[in-house]
Amino acid sequence: NAGVTQTPKFRVLKTGQSMTLLCAQDMNHEYMYWYRQDPGMGLRLIHYSVGEGTTAKGEVPDGYNVSRLKKQNFLLGLESAAPSQTSVYFCASSYGRGTNQPQHFGDGTRLSIL
Amino acid sequence: AQSVSQHNHHVILSEAASLELGCNYSYGGTVNLFWYVQYPGQHLQLLLKYFSGDPLVKGIKGFEAEFIKSKFSFNLRKPSVQWSDTAEYFCAVSLTDSWGKFQFGAGTQVVVTP
Repeated sequence: NAGVTQTPKFRVLKTGQSMTLLCAQDMNHEYMYWYRQDPGMGLRLIHYSVGEGTTAKGEVPDGYNVSRLKKQNFLLGLESAAPSQTSVYFCASSYGRGTNQPQHFGDGTRLSIL
Repeated sequence: AQSVSQHNHHVILSEAASLELGCNYSYGGTVNLFWYVQYPGQHLQLLLKYFSGDPLVKGIKGFEAEFIKSKFSFNLRKPSVQWSDTAEYFCAVSLTDSWGKFQFGAGTQVVVTP
């Protein structure tokens, strides 16, 4: 059981380039989330999805887009990368609509924008 | 603004010492509370959670936390730490009247010296 898998694990981009981060979960979870983790700031929610075909903005959505075409996948896109987007990105998923359900995290993607 | 506060950003202690990490939240409604741990280079893992019942909850690896509703607090404790407890610890809150959106604290970096 792989849980939550993120690809790639590391990436270096030049300013203005675009890329897509992939998150896949095999737990049949309804909810999926993308966070960024920066030193001293904890995890900040970028976008989330409460089901296939639905997405919503989180706390820091600017500069990012997401898609949830399949229940098991949640893609995070950077259309024009900026140095301020250098961060570690974590995907998470949780089961159903219960607000007491914990989130399960992937191993993260370390992204550097030069 | 609603928030989650972790009072200590860095804690250094010796093996066998006791650990207590503070977490306070400012939400007025009913909440679900979580502590996550992130070991160096790894993803976040759930330590323990509280959503109802006994306010003293026990988690993995000898950790426990106490929910004090009147103080809006959910402090994490461990009576005797080990070197392997070196990690970053995150408190998180979700509201029971929402879809399960989490708010994370900024994290506390704990270093246990041999």
